[in-house]
Amino acid sequence: EAGVVQSPRYKIIEKKQPVAFWCNPISGHNTLYWYLQNLGQGPELLIRYENEEAVDDSQLPKDRFSAERLKGVDSTLKIQPAELGDSAVYLCASSRTGGSDTQYFGPGTRLTVL
Amino acid sequence: AQSVTQLDSQVPVFEEAPVELRCNYSSSVSVYLFWYVQYPNQGLQLLLKYLSGSTLVKSINGFEAEFNKSQTSFHLRKPSVHISDTAEYFCAVRGGGKLIFGQGTELSVKP
Repeated sequence: EAGVVQSPRYKIIEKKQPVAFWCNPISGHNTLYWYLQNLGQGPELLIRYENEEAVDDSQLPKDRFSAERLKGVDSTLKIQPAELGDSAVYLCASSRTGGSDTQYFGPGTRLTVL
Repeated sequence: AQSVTQLDSQVPVFEEAPVELRCNYSSSVSVYLFWYVQYPNQGLQLLLKYLSGSTLVKSINGFEAEFNKSQTSFHLRKPSVHISDTAEYFCAVRGGGKLIFGQGTELSVKP
């Protein structure tokens, strides 16, 4: 079974530029999560999808961040415009449901904003 | 609100020595507890979890953790560590449909 796939693995951009991250969850997993991991910190949830519906986006900075999950499978997280403080690792995870099911994480995208 | 505190940011140990990584949680509801491991430049991998039943849970590579409700702890232990155990370890509690992580403990195993 293939794991959670994320691309790109690394991205370097200048501030004020847009950037997008892509995630393909494990087949059959209905719940998809985007987490932000700052250096030396644990991951923090940005947004959670149940199928194509965003059911928890309370921690997503909506002035510059947006996300979508078309057809309830792949998901894209976008930042526009990026700021220096956005430099971090963006992790995608998926689980069968949003209950006690195990969350499986992708390798993450390391973003550096110059 | 639920929260997780990992009491040690770094734990250096020698190979074959025992280790304990400490985790305390705060929760007013039934808890689901997890330990994840993150190797350099990789995503998080589930090490073990407590959902219900036996308070002692074990992983396939020799780690174990014990859920202690009275002390609100879920410490991770291994009786003899290997160089390959060097990684960042995260304790997490599930709440509100998401995982709430601690700050992480960097385990460094030296020869």
